[in-house]
Amino acid sequence: NAGVTQTPKFQVLKTGQSMTLQCAQDMNHEYMSWYRQDPGMGLRLIHYSVGAGITDQGEVPNGYNVSRSTTEDFPLRLLSAAPSQTSVYFCASSYSWTGGSPLHFGNGTRLTVT
Amino acid sequence: TQLLEQSPQFLSIQEGENLTVYCNSSSVFSSLQWYRQEPGEGPVLLVTVVTGGEVKKLKRLTFQFGDARKDSSLHITAAQPGDTGLYLCAGLIQGAQKLVFGQGTRLTINP
Repeated sequence: NAGVTQTPKFQVLKTGQSMTLQCAQDMNHEYMSWYRQDPGMGLRLIHYSVGAGITDQGEVPNGYNVSRSTTEDFPLRLLSAAPSQTSVYFCASSYSWTGGSPLHFGNGTRLTVT
Repeated sequence: TQLLEQSPQFLSIQEGENLTVYCNSSSVFSSLQWYRQEPGEGPVLLVTVVTGGEVKKLKRLTFQFGDARKDSSLHITAAQPGDTGLYLCAGLIQGAQKLVFGQGTRLTINP
């Protein structure tokens, strides 16, 4: 199994451009989430989904959109990139959102906005 | 404001020493997890603690969940260079569907 796959690994955008970060998992996990990781800030939750058709906001949702049309895929959209969105983005999935379920992470997308 | 405060944020010690990393909050968590992250990779789960006062051991690593389920600690005995990495605690907010992370502790074990 591939686990959680994120594409692309690296991306450079100009301010105002839009793009979609892709995330796919092949473990039939119901719960999927997006985090951003910045130095000294740990991982901050952007959006999450507890199943197909259901999404909700995390700690830092502004400037990002998500959708969950299938169990496998959970893309993250940046509508108009800003330098403050320069970060490393991680997608994660879990078979359940209840306590004890481990999050399985992808290897991240490093995004630079100039 | 960080919901989970980890301390210290940086720790550099010699091989063979012991160390403790703390994860504190004013909120109650349904469960708390500890992850380890290597450069260029996503975090990998080390342990999950669910019950207040619970202690779990993973070889030289000991994890404890506070009685009130607001804090946790990670103790490493006789640290080795292979323990070097970023350690992250993460708490499942009680009644919510969100797992929030601390800032992380970057640990360096010098040979």
